[in-house]
Amino acid sequence: EIVLTQSPATLSLSPGARATLSCRASQSVTSDLAWYQQKPGQAPRLLIFDASKRATGVPPRFSGSGSGTDFTLTISSLEAEDFAVYFCQQRSNWPPGSFGGGTKVEIK
Amino acid sequence: QVHLVESGGGVVQPGGSLRLSCSASGFTFSSHAMHWVRQAPGKGLEWVAFIGYDGDNKYYADSVKGRFTISRDNSKNTLYLQMDSLRAEDTAFYYCAKDLGSIGWSQYYFDYWGQGSLVSVSS
Repeated sequence: EIVLTQSPATLSLSPGARATLSCRASQSVTSDLAWYQQKPGQAPRLLIFDASKRATGVPPRFSGSGSGTDFTLTISSLEAEDFAVYFCQQRSNWPPGSFGGGTKVEIK
Repeated sequence: QVHLVESGGGVVQPGGSLRLSCSASGFTFSSHAMHWVRQAPGKGLEWVAFIGYDGDNKYYADSVKGRFTISRDNSKNTLYLQMDSLRAEDTAFYYCAKDLGSIGWSQYYFDYWGQGSLVSVSS
């Protein structure tokens, strides 16, 4: 099973700052990677799929990059509603899919 | 708009059974594969099960294989998860999630999620 490792576990930033989240796979997943945002008490929301494609309705301040084993989610300028937990997910060797452990973006 | 509503969660003793339902609306349910994903309170996400748009293809996580059964009724726009031989480690919020793909083209990404149903396994 492919293991996804997210770093850092917590990112403390101010509104307006740039956020860079990392997801590393234990073996290549080519571009078969997605990012989700989850706010407290809510279900996850798909942000990015195929490593860099924005899902419907996702603002352009969210961007994804990477391929193979190293991936990045960038939020260009944090807004108040962006403080949440972010998970990466791979679909390369389905089944099973797997998720990373998450990165919490909190207000500094 | 897409709407997924889970029901059927609750408290059950170890070894017991529970059936979750997920009522879908706002899209052509019979054209899309569906998933169950779970999340233990305060923890990360774990994919549980997949079913193809027509119910022919089913996959399970090793942690639930042989104990859980996914099914669907396209005439009722409803997804199910039958959970048997429940264990304490099955305690979690269970989300139904719509696959991003369409007929004959599952993407194994989850583009819409329900609000979750809490299953608590405890004596």
